[in-house]
Amino acid sequence: GESVGLHLPTLSVQEGDNSIINCAYSNSASDYFIWYKQESGKGPQFIIDIRSNMDKRQGQRVTVLLNKTVKHLSLQIAATQPGDSAVYFCAEMNSGNTPLVFGKGTRLSVIA
Amino acid sequence: EADIYQTPRYLVIGTGKKITLECSQTMGHDKMYWYQQDPGMELHLIHYSYGVNSTEKGDLSSESTVSRIRTEHFPLTLESARPSHTSQYLCASIGFPATEAFFGQGTRLTVV
Repeated sequence: GESVGLHLPTLSVQEGDNSIINCAYSNSASDYFIWYKQESGKGPQFIIDIRSNMDKRQGQRVTVLLNKTVKHLSLQIAATQPGDSAVYFCAEMNSGNTPLVFGKGTRLSVIA
Repeated sequence: EADIYQTPRYLVIGTGKKITLECSQTMGHDKMYWYQQDPGMELHLIHYSYGVNSTEKGDLSSESTVSRIRTEHFPLTLESARPSHTSQYLCASIGFPATEAFFGQGTRLTVV
């Protein structure tokens, strides 16, 4: 696809500030939208998911917002900490036998 | 702690060699996936499976094959390795009806 070979966009935030990471998804039929965090040298780790019939879901220090009208997903991290520095990927899937597809990631750098 | 394991962690092989990357999980998950990821880049789906004897192709499947003879095992085979296969290969699994994917530590492959 057109994104092959392109490096990930970077978001730099000051420690303690809130971070907002955005993602545009492609399949309006997806049942679930999920955020993953990938630290250097590790596989992605699940953060939070949201069903397609919801528009907001909150976790510990994180909130995911889903706007199906414009196919947009966002992850908000409150009081960003140095340990939040990582690459964040959105992903989408159906409850049936369809694959887990990852979107373009965003590298979050927290400035102490 | 995720019970999904990949071997080897690192592999350097010559062009034209046939190799098999191993992935095993002990969580009884039906869904398993293989992704290719260059450092700091996106995850590209290679193959996936919904259960024993089911395999499906992803976007990068043309030069590799997989098998799913047992629930816990999902090996990926490159019939003839090329330098363009140099990358990190990540295996993941999801248990029904969850959305959380568990990833292995990855295999970093270098083809010389």
